Amino acid sequence: AQSVTQLGSHVSVSEGALVLLRCNYSSSVPPYLFWYVQYPNQGLQLLLKYTSAATLVKGINGFEAEFKKSETSFHLTKPSAHMSDAAEYFCAVSVADSGGSNYKLTFGKGTLLTVNP
Amino acid sequence: KAGVTQTPRYLIKTRGQQVTLSCSPISGHRSVSWYQQTPGQGLQFLFEYFSETQRNKGNFPGRFSGRQFSNSRSEMNVSTLELGDSALYLCASSWAATLATDTQYFGPGTRLTVL
Repeated sequence: AQSVTQLGSHVSVSEGALVLLRCNYSSSVPPYLFWYVQYPNQGLQLLLKYTSAATLVKGINGFEAEFKKSETSFHLTKPSAHMSDAAEYFCAVSVADSGGSNYKLTFGKGTLLTVNP
Repeated sequence: KAGVTQTPRYLIKTRGQQVTLSCSPISGHRSVSWYQQTPGQGLQFLFEYFSETQRNKGNFPGRFSGRQFSNSRSEMNVSTLELGDSALYLCASSWAATLATDTQYFGPGTRLTVL
């Protein structure tokens, strides 16, 4: 079964520092991967998604992620953290049902990002 | 274009009661999915509806049910509430959910507390 693993439930960085949030996938077929962000008391907002068109995917708010098949990874990065980036981040993979035609998202456990002034 | 809306935003119920949550998808979206989010289990898929039919279902007991109306609005119902049902329930809509790359757009969620 396809799944994702997020390494590190909590990451703390200083404002202006590099943000690196790790996600590894487990899949026997090319996965379709997503990163979502959740601010306190809000739903999930899509940051970016990998659809096999390009291995380096640029998203909103300066975030990007690189799909590396050899490492089965899809890590999320941002060159310079802002205080407003403090939130919980979820990596997800799109998984087909048994019939192969309807899809659902399977999420990692999430990584809470803290940005220190 | 308005986003996904969920009502109510907060609910407090007692054990044994039942509850109905509502979700209005983005205009034009025909697929509605429901997820449960808890600190212990994270985000888990409940079920997905398309054109008033349940197409996909997660591993939850039969106390959890849902339906979709002809205007694509969806409701989910939880009967005989248990303490463990306390969670944030998220609704997501997408165009059709028949492509792996379809983006799901999430509502703000309904926070259910069971006492």
